Amino acid sequence: GEDVEQSLFLSVREGDSSVINCTYTDSSSTYLYWYKQEPGAGLQLLTYIFSNMDMKQDQRLTVLLNKKDKHLSLRIADTQTGDSAIYFCAALNQAGTALIFGKGTTLSVSS
Amino acid sequence: NAGVMQNPRHLVRRRGQEARLRCSPMKGHSHVYWYRQLPEEGLKFMVYLQKENIIDESGMPKERFSAEFPKEGPSILRIQQVVRGDSAAYFCASSPEAVNEQFFGPGTRLTVL
Repeated sequence: GEDVEQSLFLSVREGDSSVINCTYTDSSSTYLYWYKQEPGAGLQLLTYIFSNMDMKQDQRLTVLLNKKDKHLSLRIADTQTGDSAIYFCAALNQAGTALIFGKGTTLSVSS
Repeated sequence: NAGVMQNPRHLVRRRGQEARLRCSPMKGHSHVYWYRQLPEEGLKFMVYLQKENIIDESGMPKERFSAEFPKEGPSILRIQQVVRGDSAAYFCASSPEAVNEQFFGPGTRLTVL
């Protein structure tokens, strides 16, 4: 079945850029997503990208997609302490019925 | 426009009891998805429903788990005869006609004693 992999931890200083990476296995995934989860809370949809795009920018967030390498990244510019959370990468499954999630990357921002 | 609502937020059950988790989708959304998150893990898909229909239940355990989304009222995820391994956070998501955007509720954290 499809798999989504992400590194588990990232630590940055306030004001720096953060880059969270993700790889997926199913090249037929049409949509790829980034969600944010704060402690004890649900998932907040940050952004998503359609597979025929290679970049999407939304304020401080930039998503890069390398479809050939099946690699997705999320860049957060000017990272703030409020960005500390778990970030999940997800891919829409082949049937188009469900999201396949990675295990999440814990982003820690120090001041 | 209220978001996806789930209740209860926390549920404690003893082994062998039944757990019923409720999800009210966002207004105008007719597609509901249930996911389970075990500690230190990502979310795992369980089931996808539209009103009165189960579309994809490939992630549902074969026994003890069932889901419904009736014509009126919330979607229900039912776990019969709970075991300790059922302890997890259960998240519901909903989407409008287009499946590509799924919006998540705050989750129900089930603890089985």
